[in-house]
Amino acid sequence: AQTVTQSQPEMSVQEAETVTLSCTYDTSENNYYLFWYKQPPSRQMILVIRQEAYKQQNATENRFSVNFQKAAKSFSLKISDSQLGDTAMYFCALIQGAQKLVFGQGTRLTINP
Amino acid sequence: AAGVIQSPRHLIKEKRETATLKCYPIPRHDTVYWYQQGPGQDPQFLISFYEKMQSDKGSIPDRFSAQQFSDYHSELNMSSLELGDSALYFCASSFGRDQPQHFGDGTRLSIL
Repeated sequence: AQTVTQSQPEMSVQEAETVTLSCTYDTSENNYYLFWYKQPPSRQMILVIRQEAYKQQNATENRFSVNFQKAAKSFSLKISDSQLGDTAMYFCALIQGAQKLVFGQGTRLTINP
Repeated sequence: AAGVIQSPRHLIKEKRETATLKCYPIPRHDTVYWYQQGPGQDPQFLISFYEKMQSDKGSIPDRFSAQQFSDYHSELNMSSLELGDSALYFCASSFGRDQPQHFGDGTRLSIL
């Protein structure tokens, strides 16, 4: 069975700083996808970034980038130049096989002015 | 761009009542997923449909059932509601089963 673990329940940084959220996962498959989703106070689930396991190059989306370490089964999210609007719960998630998303427990990120 | 539409946004029911949640996927998306997110919890997968056929089943109670219709919209039917069913219910859709899932805004179900 797949599992996703986020070991940081809460994080807090100042606006414009860089912050890294950690995620580790376990799967027996070689082909899978990893995602970061953002859930702001409005409770929407917003896709932030996606990484295919077969790609060695780390995905980037504007201020968001990942550090994907396949051997270590690690998938961290880096947010550069953090903004107040980045305040949200962030979920790491894994898809394989049957295509259901398996989520981590979430990290509550607060950006302070 | 069109997004996943869920209705209703909020629903209040009493114990032992029934509820029906609706989901309209993004046009041309062929796969629909349902998730349940309890207070302070991560979303848990309930059930999914691909081309109107059930494709996977998670921790969905026997009191719940779902289907996907010919127009690709999906409905989650919940009977004999319990206090523990109070949660945010998300529908997500994707075009193909290896593509990112796009979530609706969710239906907040409260059981009194």
